[in-house]
Amino acid sequence: GIQVEQSPPDLILQEGANSTLRCNFSDSVNNLQWFHQNPWGQLINLFYIPSGTKQNGRLSATTVATERYSLLYISSSQTTDSGVYFCAVERGGTSYGKLTFGQGTILTVHP
Amino acid sequence: KAGVTQTPRYLIKTRGQQVTLSCSPISGHRSVSWYQQTPGQGLQFLFEYFSETQRNKGNFPGRFSGRQFSNSRSEMNVSTLELGDSALYLCASSGVGTGNYEQYFGPGTRLTVT
Repeated sequence: GIQVEQSPPDLILQEGANSTLRCNFSDSVNNLQWFHQNPWGQLINLFYIPSGTKQNGRLSATTVATERYSLLYISSSQTTDSGVYFCAVERGGTSYGKLTFGQGTILTVHP
Repeated sequence: KAGVTQTPRYLIKTRGQQVTLSCSPISGHRSVSWYQQTPGQGLQFLFEYFSETQRNKGNFPGRFSGRQFSNSRSEMNVSTLELGDSALYLCASSGVGTGNYEQYFGPGTRLTVT
């Protein structure tokens, strides 16, 4: 099956710093999503970005599908950004509804 | 639009029992996927239903089953519970058929097996 690798596994920042999270995947995809998992376990949609670049406030994401990677940028980080960030992909073809998740990046932002 | 809802939110069961979890998708979404999250294995795909048909299944034993109703609501059932089934179970819905495969997740059901 498709492999998804996220880096770094852990990231510790001071409030106000910028960061870049990376997601590498091993095959072509028709879906790539970034999520933030809140302390209660819910996955919050950040971006649906199978290709291209999107921005939402202090967050932006870029997916280079031909090179099989995606980047999530967080600028001017806040303590509320702390948590686990997941990248997940879905292959085309018969991978109906199957998202394959990376192991996540645990982000800690200190005041 | 209301989001994806899951019931119950928390559940404690004993080894050997069975459990049924419910998921109501976003209105208009016909695809529902289920995932299991554990500290050791991370987030793993269980199965996906579309228009009452299971189209895809992950690598889980037959004790894990599901179904989808005509209103797109879905249930998953785990029979003969084992301690290792303790996990957060998440469901997600998507409006496939529109060319957009984005999945939206519910708050999850946290199952503890004792």
